[in-house]
Amino acid sequence: DSGVTQTPKHLITATGQRVTLRCSPRSGDLSVYWYQQSLDQGLQFLIQYYNGEERAKGNILERFSAQQFPDLHSELNLSSLELGDSALYFCASSLTTTGGPGNTIYFGEGSWLTVV
Amino acid sequence: AQSVAQPEDQVNVAEGNPLTVKCTYSVSGNPYLFWYVQYPNRGLQFLLKYITGDNLVKGSYGFEAEFNKSQTSFHLKKPSALVSDSALYFCAVRDMVAAGNKLTFGGGTRVLVKP
Repeated sequence: DSGVTQTPKHLITATGQRVTLRCSPRSGDLSVYWYQQSLDQGLQFLIQYYNGEERAKGNILERFSAQQFPDLHSELNLSSLELGDSALYFCASSLTTTGGPGNTIYFGEGSWLTVV
Repeated sequence: AQSVAQPEDQVNVAEGNPLTVKCTYSVSGNPYLFWYVQYPNRGLQFLLKYITGDNLVKGSYGFEAEFNKSQTSFHLKKPSALVSDSALYFCAVRDMVAAGNKLTFGGGTRVLVKP
């Protein structure tokens, strides 16, 4: 158990709908990352927050947004869903944003999203 | 750009034989390298990392990795593979150039250990 908690574990929704994925980071971790894992794209970095503020953006679509709340949990909002958005969405956390010793990034179990 | 490459999509090995999963990297500056494993229907689990120091890094579940600067490689190894090691393995590099220092992953290598 990595200590990163993601809900829901599985989600099936229709095209055009909106969903929210939730992530609770490891206790004490200030940085949250979101990744998308699909068969054709592999593991893609979406966005990162540090202590409530957006720190970095990756290949995140405009239909997607995220935020990190004062209690450090984070939500990834996916709207106007398309079939191609079906994927496994990972949340990860680390203590800081730097890559120094001890700052391993730990991943949750992921949220499986199926768009039908 | 910081990147890693995993040249093999799949590695097949018999149980009890040595297991090697290959990874090469391309970075500017010092590399921060990681290995993660994904078991079926599970999340990514951290195995080990190289930050600095000894070129041989020991990690979880009997895995180790050898950092080779001249060959820009960071291969994952296990002396004696188990059937339970069958999983998807990812090499990753910490991007120390871009803001946020995210992890950039290789394409993954599927390991199949046969009894």
